[in-house]
Amino acid sequence: EIVLTQSPATLSLSPGERATLSCRASQSVSSYLAWYQQKPGQAPRLLIYDASNRATGIPARFSGSGSGTDFTLTISSLEPEDFAVYYCQQRSNWPPRTTFGQGTKLEIK
Amino acid sequence: QVQLQESGPGLVKPSGTLSLTCAVSGGSISSSNWWSWVRQPPGKGLEWIGEIYHSGSTNYNPSLKSRVTISVDKSKNQFSLKLSSVTAADTAVYYCARAAPITMGGDWYFDLWGRGTLVTVSS
Repeated sequence: EIVLTQSPATLSLSPGERATLSCRASQSVSSYLAWYQQKPGQAPRLLIYDASNRATGIPARFSGSGSGTDFTLTISSLEPEDFAVYYCQQRSNWPPRTTFGQGTKLEIK
Repeated sequence: QVQLQESGPGLVKPSGTLSLTCAVSGGSISSSNWWSWVRQPPGKGLEWIGEIYHSGSTNYNPSLKSRVTISVDKSKNQFSLKLSSVTAADTAVYYCARAAPITMGGDWYFDLWGRGTLVTVSS
């Protein structure tokens, strides 16, 4: 079973600052990793897939990087609407299952 | 565009069975996607429950497998979740979601979600 560990649990920053969120996999997932954003009372939204590709409609300030076991989501300059919880996710083919990281809460400082 | 909508009882008694349905509108459930259930206990993270393909093939989270059944009804363009022997620990917002191959030959990611429905387990 692949375990995804996100850090930090909480990140306190101000609008305009750069945010760097980490996701580490317990074994290699190649580049098959996604990032989601979830705001209170809403369903998660796909931001990044295949580690570094932005989903449709996602602003360019969001970028993803990494491969193997270490991945990063970067928000270059925080907008007020970016304060939310972020999850990483991977889907293994064998055994077939999906796992999420425990989430990073990005809060306003 | 394709939309997902969860429906079902918001309150289930302990030891009972939780039953939810996800209606797929604006598209066919027979498209090349995995149709999934994900839950989120209040104030906690996301937990994948399982998924089904239109052929009826299923995959389940091992931690829930003994209690979960996911089925598909192509005639109604919907899929369903049954979770048996529920306890308070099963209280959560339950989401249905579509896992799609965003790129040809690529992996499957949740590109579409329902709004979620809160299910409370209480007597």
